[in-house]
Amino acid sequence: ETGVTQTPRHLVMGMTNKKSLKCEQHLGHNAMYWYKQSAKKPLELMFVYNFKEQTENNSVPSRFSPECPNSSHLFLHLHTLQPEDSALYLCASSPPGRGTEAFFGQGTRLTVV
Amino acid sequence: GEDVEQSLFLSVREGDSSVINCTYTDSSSTYLYWYKQEPGAGLQLLTYIFSNMDMKQDQRLTVLLNKKDKHLSLRIADTQTGDSAIYFCAESMGGGATNKLIFGTGTLLAVQP
Repeated sequence: ETGVTQTPRHLVMGMTNKKSLKCEQHLGHNAMYWYKQSAKKPLELMFVYNFKEQTENNSVPSRFSPECPNSSHLFLHLHTLQPEDSALYLCASSPPGRGTEAFFGQGTRLTVV
Repeated sequence: GEDVEQSLFLSVREGDSSVINCTYTDSSSTYLYWYKQEPGAGLQLLTYIFSNMDMKQDQRLTVLLNKKDKHLSLRIADTQTGDSAIYFCAESMGGGATNKLIFGTGTLLAVQP
């Protein structure tokens, strides 16, 4: 248990659906991240937030829409996804500075049908 | 761009030592990490090393860093079946208050009893 909680753990959605992934941490961390883990590919950093402000969007398609209402919560809103978007979506958080540990959640296994 | 490479698979017998290798490209990386991912789980930080160090030892784990060759390795002594997992190396990018990680593709370690 890392202190980073993601819900749901598994999600199956149609290409026309709208769904949201949730991430929560009460570790007092300032930074939160979304990563995508696809089969046979390195983990890809999607978004970075620092104290609720987005500091990085790694050329992610607009069908993925992040939201960070406060430092403890991070959402990833999904709409009109494609089957190739099926992957494990991992949330992480970290305290300030480089060299600090990034704590990962268990991930949401997303399947787009 | 940033690129972190690892071999995809390693098989060892229980009790032997395992050595997982990684090469990275960004010479300005100040921290390098090893994460472990068990089936169905998120990423767990095993250890990390600061770039001014050549070696770091933590119980059964030994990290070696060759900064000139941009080569990082993780040695697991007395490998156990519970060590079977995917191991990711990662380098820390960016600065300031966030800690972006660039991951390798991961090495699947299979420990034979």
